[in-house]
Amino acid sequence: SQWGEENLQALSIQEGEDVTMNCSYKTYTTVVHWYRQDSGRGPALIILIRSNEREKRSGRLRATLDTSSQSSSLSITAAQCEDTAVYFCATDDNNNRIFFGDGTQLVVKP
Amino acid sequence: EAAVTQSPRNKVTVTGGNVTLSCRQTNSHNYMYWYRQDTGHGLRLIHYSYGAGNLQIGDVPDGYKATRTTQEDFFLLLELASPSQTSLYFCASGQSSYEQYFGPGTRLTVL
Repeated sequence: SQWGEENLQALSIQEGEDVTMNCSYKTYTTVVHWYRQDSGRGPALIILIRSNEREKRSGRLRATLDTSSQSSSLSITAAQCEDTAVYFCATDDNNNRIFFGDGTQLVVKP
Repeated sequence: EAAVTQSPRNKVTVTGGNVTLSCRQTNSHNYMYWYRQDTGHGLRLIHYSYGAGNLQIGDVPDGYKATRTTQEDFFLLLELASPSQTSLYFCASGQSSYEQYFGPGTRLTVL
């Protein structure tokens, strides 16, 4: 597997709270993808961070990448109920394929 | 917005049955992928292709064949279906791995 220890499989928070999901990986990658999967749908890319970026923001999302520790995180600020989904991180083999982690189920309660 | 469609959306078959899952993308993407997703797991790559007539083996190819007949169409074939192949199957396309666009999925049950 490309992945080390998976992070929390499930998180439950209240609306308005901040939340961070973490991933670690075993093999070298220059890109970490974060996908979101809503119930009954296929995954969709929400943010992509490259090894030279360390941090990337998109709206209320913030991704970090630490290549020295081979880890990445995704933070959501002021989570809303519509952020409820499964979030996956994925590494890239630089050969047009990616490797998904097992995902974190995030539930945001009103 | 990239469009990827899959058919059928649900399929039930018996052990030993023959199943074909279809995927079509209308965005002229070079790459197409077949994944399976099982409860508690992420997506695992079965096969992928970078163009018509091309096929690359993924991480969990045993028991599956695939064929890319055109730029748009990618098929996954289960010639002797087994209960272990009961799963949710996703097709995706992309110009590269930097963004893959996923279809809505096909839920396959093998009895």
